[in-house]
Amino acid sequence: AQTVTQSQPEMSVQEAETVTLSCTYDTSESDYYLFWYKQPPSRQMILVIRQEAYKQQNATENRFSVNFQKAAKSFSLKISDSQLGDAAMYFCAYRKGWSNAGKSTFGDGTTLTVKP
Amino acid sequence: NAGVTQTPKFQVLKTGQSMTLQCAQDMNHEYMSWYRQDPGMGLRLIHYSVGAGITDQGEVPNGYNVSRSTTEDFPLRLLSAAPSQTSVYFCASGLAANYNEQFFGPGTRLTVL
Repeated sequence: AQTVTQSQPEMSVQEAETVTLSCTYDTSESDYYLFWYKQPPSRQMILVIRQEAYKQQNATENRFSVNFQKAAKSFSLKISDSQLGDAAMYFCAYRKGWSNAGKSTFGDGTTLTVKP
Repeated sequence: NAGVTQTPKFQVLKTGQSMTLQCAQDMNHEYMSWYRQDPGMGLRLIHYSVGAGITDQGEVPNGYNVSRSTTEDFPLRLLSAAPSQTSVYFCASGLAANYNEQFFGPGTRLTVL
């Protein structure tokens, strides 16, 4: 079974600074997708960024970028120019292949605090 | 377009009671899933469906039943509630063609006394 590990239960960052959240995963598959979700206090799960395993280029979405190291099975999220609204729980998620759109494995999350 | 809706938002049950959590989506998504989120943990898959009439178990299926009679609806039934089922429940839907992105509902907070 696939596992996703987020080794940082809590992180904090100063407003406008950069922070990196770590995620490692275990899989024997070659075709898979990785995601970072944000969960603010409202509980709503919001997709932040996604990465297809077959793509070597790291995904970027505005202030959010990933460092995808396939051989090391590492998928970290970098948040640049942190804003107060970035404070939330962040979950790393793995999904195997094209035909498993309904099945994701999540890490236990990292709570990010943004200090003004 | 309401996206993924869940009812109720909050529910308190007594041990042994049964209930159904409702989930509906209006995006014509093939895939629908139920997850539970316990305090301090990530989401764990309970059941999922790849289309009307097709369901399968996830990581933590015991104590729950599902059915998918229509593309839009995917109810989750608790047969005999136990305190261990106290959790926040999320329904999600998605299309295989859309990079496997899942869209989540707002969640149902369930407390079993």
